[in-house]
Amino acid sequence: DTEVTQTPKHLVMGMTNKKSLKCEQHMGHRAMYWYKQKAKKPPELMFVYSYEKLSINESVPSRFSPECPNSSLLNLHLHALQPEDSALYLCASSQGPTGYTFGSGTRLTVV
Amino acid sequence: RKEVEQDPGPFNVPEGATVAFNCTYSNSASQSFFWYRQDCRKEPKLLMSVYSSGNEDGRFTAQLNRASQYISLLIRDSKLSDSATYLCVGSLSGGYQKVTFGTGTKLQVIP
Repeated sequence: DTEVTQTPKHLVMGMTNKKSLKCEQHMGHRAMYWYKQKAKKPPELMFVYSYEKLSINESVPSRFSPECPNSSLLNLHLHALQPEDSALYLCASSQGPTGYTFGSGTRLTVV
Repeated sequence: RKEVEQDPGPFNVPEGATVAFNCTYSNSASQSFFWYRQDCRKEPKLLMSVYSSGNEDGRFTAQLNRASQYISLLIRDSKLSDSATYLCVGSLSGGYQKVTFGTGTKLQVIP
């Protein structure tokens, strides 16, 4: 299994809603990441988990809350988002210096 | 100055042409480099790693010049299916990778 699976693929949520994005990989990778990508821009790093511990938080607002329940799963909990948070949210995993494997992303629209 | 810089393009080339992209990086501590390909509204996919000795994969050749801090990608015999955005990536390798994406170079191969 060489995939990173993200659900849902599309999500529309109101500014008062709470929702979660999910990411799963079974490649034994010990580093997992959340990225945010706006149109025509490169992915921007949000969070890095290494061995299930949060290693990097790139000054992300607290309305985004990551969680790593185990070495295969990564969640991103969303609460009270703003319309400018609408973007493609990408999960990735890696093991050593071999490059990332990205999931297909969740396209989020905040209304 | 951005850590990883690319010419955003677009590069419009005819089918069968050879096209080259360059990318410069400012962090001399970067250890690993990659080229990713991203199709419109899709996730980035690893195209190839980049080594000082140069590496080739079919029609694609990548090269790293550490002295000048630039990375190149050469595509020979361009196909319509090569149309995409090509992202240059530098990584500080460790237990996890702190990766910096370039802004991407858009390639459009025209019939």
